[in-house]
Amino acid sequence: DGGITQSPKYLFRKEGQNVTLSCEQNLNHDAMYWYRQDPGQGLRLIYYSQIVNDFQKGDIAEGYSVSREKKESFPLTVTSAQKNPTAFYLCASGGRNQPQHFGDGTRLSIL
Amino acid sequence: GENVEQHPSTLSVQEGDSAVIKCTYSDSASNYFPWYKQELGKGPQLIIDIRSNVGEKKDQRIAVTLNKTAKHFSLHITETQPEDSAVYFCAASRAGGGSQGNLIFGKGTKLSVKP
Repeated sequence: DGGITQSPKYLFRKEGQNVTLSCEQNLNHDAMYWYRQDPGQGLRLIYYSQIVNDFQKGDIAEGYSVSREKKESFPLTVTSAQKNPTAFYLCASGGRNQPQHFGDGTRLSIL
Repeated sequence: GENVEQHPSTLSVQEGDSAVIKCTYSDSASNYFPWYKQELGKGPQLIIDIRSNVGEKKDQRIAVTLNKTAKHFSLHITETQPEDSAVYFCAASRAGGGSQGNLIFGKGTKLSVKP
């Protein structure tokens, strides 16, 4: 089936540790996105990539990094500089001014 | 930039009643308006969308209306069922380069359908 796969479903981070969230899509979409969702909040854009080897900061990029070496993959690293990383992270793919399709998210918590 | 406001933040209805969720947007150039349903612990799922060249779109019990003059659009769910209980998000985007094609989301409406 075509879709977006996020892994792991749950992730725990220790103090001073970087963690990487995986996002893979087989929908042949050019654009991919990372969002952060906090309880009772909407979706806030962290980073997006409209083409391989290119990505742009969203509204809350501080403390995060991404790479886009392959069309299918857009991993997100939550660095130790992100002081409040506990959240639900959602990856999406789609096109500009087009529907976006979401994965089922990764829930990140602090140990 | 675009700003999307959504209300109400919570909505409780009896099974079989209708539910209406409203969103307003600020950028008159926005021309694409999707609605997403998010169940607990899952990612949002696209349920219906509309472009600015039409005023209404229906899909079984779900409909979306768009008023470009007033810059608002609404989701209508008829004959609600308990499985309609979820958080619903509206969004808006416009054509254009850079970040202009990105979706801007409302803060969501938690719909509860009581049996």
